[in-house]
Amino acid sequence: DAGITQSPRHKVTETGTPVTLRCHQTENHRYMYWYRQDPGHGLRLIHYSYGVKDTDKGEVSDGYSVSRSKTEDFLLTLESATSSQTSVYFCATTGNPSGANVLTFGAGSRLTVL
Amino acid sequence: DQQVKQNSPSLSVQEGRISILNCDYTNSMFDYFLWYKKYPAEGPTFLISISSIKDKNEDGRFTVFLNKSAKHLSLHIVPSQPGDSAVYFCAATFQGAQKLVFGQGTRLTINP
Repeated sequence: DAGITQSPRHKVTETGTPVTLRCHQTENHRYMYWYRQDPGHGLRLIHYSYGVKDTDKGEVSDGYSVSRSKTEDFLLTLESATSSQTSVYFCATTGNPSGANVLTFGAGSRLTVL
Repeated sequence: DQQVKQNSPSLSVQEGRISILNCDYTNSMFDYFLWYKKYPAEGPTFLISISSIKDKNEDGRFTVFLNKSAKHLSLHIVPSQPGDSAVYFCAATFQGAQKLVFGQGTRLTINP
């Protein structure tokens, strides 16, 4: 996953504060995704982007917003963090999400909301 | 609505034996299936995939079997090695889809 960088890798914050996670890719992939991983739930899609300024909701989008102003950057924002948003967040990219074109994941961002 | 299900949260297997991880799906439109492997503190990495036009795909110690009529796929690891201890995610997609759908994951532990 050398082509995908997530920052920060670890963050501890307090309830009610805004948080932004950044995903930066050098693959020039059109599609970018934000997932969260929680025990018993696997990988759940939060939001995804299919091009610059083109985004859509995933299955757990409440409380999250995203922005993609450049091909290489996809930002995930928690406007007012809650304890239920404590999780590990993964960014992923692909040139084509169907068929044999697999997702490449970043190393993850662990967020703790106190 | 969980379209891809991995009903076994964990599996423990003796080193050298076969590991079998299972995955069920409900959406008949899915035509491509993938397995990802995840180690602690790392992102998931692609392991093996299969198209719906096949019923088996093999890559070294890893084989994926697809039973379309049962909407079921399985990942076989033979022989299992300690380095195979990880969480395995099943995923599915279809032509024209914009995203993959993942299962809940199965934690595989290989005991020496």
